[in-house]
Amino acid sequence: GQSLEQPSEVTAVEGAIVQINCTYQTSGFYGLSWYQQHDGGAPTFLSYNALDGLEETGRFSSFLSRSDSYGYLLLQELQMKDSASYFCAVSPLIKAAGNKLTFGGGTRVLVKP
Amino acid sequence: GAVVSQHPSWVICKSGTSVKIECRSLDFQATTMFWYRQFPKQSLMLMATSNEGSKATYEQGVEKDKFLINHASLTLSTLTVTSAHPEDSSFYICSARPMNTEAFFGQGTRLTVV
Repeated sequence: GQSLEQPSEVTAVEGAIVQINCTYQTSGFYGLSWYQQHDGGAPTFLSYNALDGLEETGRFSSFLSRSDSYGYLLLQELQMKDSASYFCAVSPLIKAAGNKLTFGGGTRVLVKP
Repeated sequence: GAVVSQHPSWVICKSGTSVKIECRSLDFQATTMFWYRQFPKQSLMLMATSNEGSKATYEQGVEKDKFLINHASLTLSTLTVTSAHPEDSSFYICSARPMNTEAFFGQGTRLTVV
């Protein structure tokens, strides 16, 4: 099965940089994804790492190291609107599983003025 | 990106009644859709995989007779919560992954059973 661990909460000020780690135990997966969810809303896709290394998308970057069984999401130049929950997710390599996603516990990011 | 529409966005029902939630893919065909359940301040827990034209695949611990899933067309999956009880109150979200990378989610349905 899959198990993904994230810190439960992070607090930072506007303009700061936040790194959210995701450590996992899994038998194999296609890639590591990150999603953002504001309170009461649906998750929205942020980033996807199929291979090891860094993927940069504007203020958000994501990193994956399969050898270390971990990845992270980096939020730069934090803005108040970045206050939300962030989830890492994987899709298992088991064919019978289809392309379903298993999510980590989520990290609530609180941005203060 | 692809659009997934979920309806209703919220519903209040009496204990013992059934509630149907619809999930539509608006600009693509989805042979597979996923139903998640989320309690406040918790993660998304996969309930079942909805398969067009065949039976849904339920995750361990999810009662298939209580959470009925129908995927009769390539653009519509429905989740029916039967004989709802207050403990079924939750946020239900559907999603689809048309390209096996990015997942697209419906707006979610907040169910309150009174």
